[in-house]
Amino acid sequence: AQSVTQLGSHVSVSEGALVLLRCNYSSSVPPYLFWYVQYPNQGLQLLLKYTSAATLVKGINGFEAEFKKSETSFHLTKPSAHMSDAAEYFCAVRGSNYQLIWGAGTKLIIKP
Amino acid sequence: KAGVTQTPRYLIKTRGQQVTLSCSPISGHRSVSWYQQTPGQGLQFLFEYFSETQRNKGNFPGRFSGRQFSNSRSEMNVSTLELGDSALYLCASSPGTEPSTDTQYFGPGTRLTVL
Repeated sequence: AQSVTQLGSHVSVSEGALVLLRCNYSSSVPPYLFWYVQYPNQGLQLLLKYTSAATLVKGINGFEAEFKKSETSFHLTKPSAHMSDAAEYFCAVRGSNYQLIWGAGTKLIIKP
Repeated sequence: KAGVTQTPRYLIKTRGQQVTLSCSPISGHRSVSWYQQTPGQGLQFLFEYFSETQRNKGNFPGRFSGRQFSNSRSEMNVSTLELGDSALYLCASSPGTEPSTDTQYFGPGTRLTVL
């Protein structure tokens, strides 16, 4: 069975600081991994996805994530946080039966 | 291309009523997935449709149903509304045949409040 764990329901960083959002997964099939972002009062938007082509995946808005098979992790990072990054971030892994398995989400708070 | 659209954006109903939500996917997308999002439960998968066929259903009671039309537009229906059905209902469309590996494109959601 597939599952996703996001460590920390809320993460707070100062503007300009490193952003690190953690995602660990379990999967019985070759994983496809995703990070989506949800801004207030909006739907979700794809940030980036891992499809086995490269372990370091670059996404939109300066975010990137590294797939580490040995650690079953797919953590999301950004070198320098901006106020506009304040949102909720969701990690997801390929499930069975045409379904994505979602993490619980992490709200990123940016302190001025 | 126009994005995924959902109507209505906001809805207020009372317990016991029923509601129908609509989703129009991106043109050319044939897979449509529905999700319920609540603060306590996060994103919960409701069902997925492809070419008018429901291929998967999440762990929700039979009060939740859906369908997809030949133009890929989809509706979901909730009958006998309960207070716990208050949530943001999200629709997502995918360009291929496998939404668990494709990018999903989300609509803005329908905010349902049950009083």
